[in-house]
Amino acid sequence: QITLRESGPTLVGPTQTLTLTCTVSGLSLSTNVEGVAWIRQPPGKALEWLAIIYGDDDKRYSPSLRNRLTVTKDASENQVVLTMTNMDPVDTGTYFCAHRSWPERRFDTWGQGALVAVSS
Amino acid sequence: QSALTQPASVSGSPGQSITISCTATSGDLGDFKYISWYQYRPGRAPRLVIYDVTSRPSGVSNRFSGSKSGNTASLIISGLLIEDEGDYYCSSFTTTTTLVIFGGGTKVTVL
Repeated sequence: QITLRESGPTLVGPTQTLTLTCTVSGLSLSTNVEGVAWIRQPPGKALEWLAIIYGDDDKRYSPSLRNRLTVTKDASENQVVLTMTNMDPVDTGTYFCAHRSWPERRFDTWGQGALVAVSS
Repeated sequence: QSALTQPASVSGSPGQSITISCTATSGDLGDFKYISWYQYRPGRAPRLVIYDVTSRPSGVSNRFSGSKSGNTASLIISGLLIEDEGDYYCSSFTTTTTLVIFGGGTKVTVL
C-alpha cells in the first residue's frame, strides 16, 4: 500500500521561500516508472498541478510557475522536496503530493495535504 | 490553452442519481480519453474514483461510473449517500508541457 505524507511550515512570509517535503512509503523512488507530483488548492478555488518528478530524475513543471519551482528527491530517504520562491499571499492554500505510476495518466494515491499560509 | 469546465454545484436526495459534467475547450487534450475524476472531502486525502474515462479503481463503489460524449465527460453517482458529499474534480493529461489540468470542481450536496 502506497502512502504519502506532506510536511513543512504552516506560515511563511511574503517574498520568502517555501520548502515542503513529501515522505513516501510503499514504493521506491529509484524506480523510473514512479512519479510524485505536487498539486495545490487555494481556499475556495480549484486544484492546480505544480510539478512532477520521476525515479530517473526527469522533472516537469507548470509553465506558469516554472521560474519559481524546484522539485528534487532523496531516494534513500524516499522523500520528494518542493521549493517555491518569492511566496505571495495568493500562494496560500493546501499543498498535496500525489503518486503517478508511468505510463498511467492518473494520480492514484494522494497525501492529506499541508496547509500553508502566506502572511507577514 | 485548454480548460475543463464543470458545474459549480450539483445536488440530489439520498438514493437518487446525479451526473457531473466536464467539458473540454481547446485542443491539447489529445483525444480526451484520459479523463480522471477525484473526490475531495476537506480534511481527507483526495481520492481517485474514475480513470481513463470509465475505469474504476479497486475499492471504489460501483455506484461511481464515468462516460464520455464528444468533448464532454461525465461522472455519474447512483444511489446517492450522505458520504458522497464533497467536491469532485475532473482532470486530464495534456499533450503539451502543461501536462495536467483540473476542472474547476463541483460541490455535491446530498439533500
